[in-house]
Amino acid sequence: DGGITQSPKYLFRKEGQNVTLSCEQNLNHDAMYWYRQDPGQGLRLIYYSQIVNDFQKGDIAEGYSVSREKKESFPLTVTSAQKNPTAFYLCASSIVAGYSNQPQHFGDGTRLSIL
Amino acid sequence: QQPVQSPQAVILREGEDAVINCSSSKALYSVHWYRQKHGEAPVFLMILLKGGEQKGHDKISASFNEKKQQSSLYLTASQLSYSGTYFCGTLPYNTDKLIFGTGTRLQVFP
Repeated sequence: DGGITQSPKYLFRKEGQNVTLSCEQNLNHDAMYWYRQDPGQGLRLIYYSQIVNDFQKGDIAEGYSVSREKKESFPLTVTSAQKNPTAFYLCASSIVAGYSNQPQHFGDGTRLSIL
Repeated sequence: QQPVQSPQAVILREGEDAVINCSSSKALYSVHWYRQKHGEAPVFLMILLKGGEQKGHDKISASFNEKKQQSSLYLTASQLSYSGTYFCGTLPYNTDKLIFGTGTRLQVFP
């Protein structure tokens, strides 16, 4: 079955530590996205990528980094510079970015907490 | 620039109807609707592309008034499975990324 796989489901970070969240898709989608979800604030875009080896900052990119070396993979690193990383992180993909009739497909999310 | 959803929360009995509104300050090319159950991934419901367009999905339908930059989601004869948080995602002109609203939490009771 095609879909998006996020791992791990739960992640704990110590102070000063970088952690990486995995996102893999087998839908052959060009575009991939990372969102952060906090209670009562909906989904906020961190980074997105329309093609391999290219990505753009979203609305809340500070303290995060990404890479897109393969079409199917879009890992997100939460760096120590992100002072409030506790949140639910969602990865999504779409056939292409920006086309108005293309839905986004989401993974099951990673819940990150501070130790 | 985040679209405003109203109401923030709705409580229904099975069989009752509800309307969720999404309003943007920007001119919109399209509006997406998603439903998310607690702790799960958001699930795509529908996309509205043109001003005045209406779409339906089972007993869930939506309209998009391009001139008013507003969309409404209509849930008819609600079922227990409709419970969850509904998000609109708006795509303004000349952008390539969705902007999501803060969500409307819907709870349906027997």
